[in-house]
Amino acid sequence: NAGVMQNPRHLVRRRGQEARLRCSPMKGHSHVYWYRQLPEEGLKFMVYLQKENIIDESGMPKERFSAEFPKEGPSILRIQQVVRGDSAAYFCASSLAPLAGAPEGEQFFGPGTRLTVL
Amino acid sequence: KQEVTQIPAALSVPEGENLVLNCSFTDSAIYNLQWFRQDPGKGLTSLLLIQSSQREQTSGRLNASLDKSSGRSTLYIAASQPGDSATYLCAVGDSWGKLQFGAGTQVVVTP
Repeated sequence: NAGVMQNPRHLVRRRGQEARLRCSPMKGHSHVYWYRQLPEEGLKFMVYLQKENIIDESGMPKERFSAEFPKEGPSILRIQQVVRGDSAAYFCASSLAPLAGAPEGEQFFGPGTRLTVL
Repeated sequence: KQEVTQIPAALSVPEGENLVLNCSFTDSAIYNLQWFRQDPGKGLTSLLLIQSSQREQTSGRLNASLDKSSGRSTLYIAASQPGDSATYLCAVGDSWGKLQFGAGTQVVVTP
């Protein structure tokens, strides 16, 4: 049973370009979370999605960032017109369900995509 | 607003000693607490998940306790080994499953 897959593992973009980060959750998982780890900072929540729905995007910057989790295919985190401050590691996690206090709520993380903006 | 703090920020112990890592949180209305391990340049590995109704969880040499009322969790690692060297992260989960992380404790176990 493959774990959470993320690609690419490393992505280099010039300022102003677009970055598309992909996440395939664990088999059977329908809940996806994106987190960002800025250099020398802790992990911060960005967005929580279920299939075809954004449930909580309270951690997403208001501009340039968007996320989707279509009915078929991986979840995509899209950053338009990247700036140097977007350089970070972006992690995706998946779970069976975020049920309060249930073991199904355990989140499993992918290896991350390390974005470098030149 | 929930705040998660991990103390100490860094810890160095000789091989064989027990490790004690602390995590505190300001809002006791959590739904679960998860401990992770992160190796340099790598992703997160889930170590233990403690549900809000539980007081502890054990897996091999690892034991984690949870005291919701006082806003504390402690991760114990028995008989440390050099392979335990990593950053350990504590995260509290809300009803949606959203995790809020502490800054981590960087552990070095010397042979």
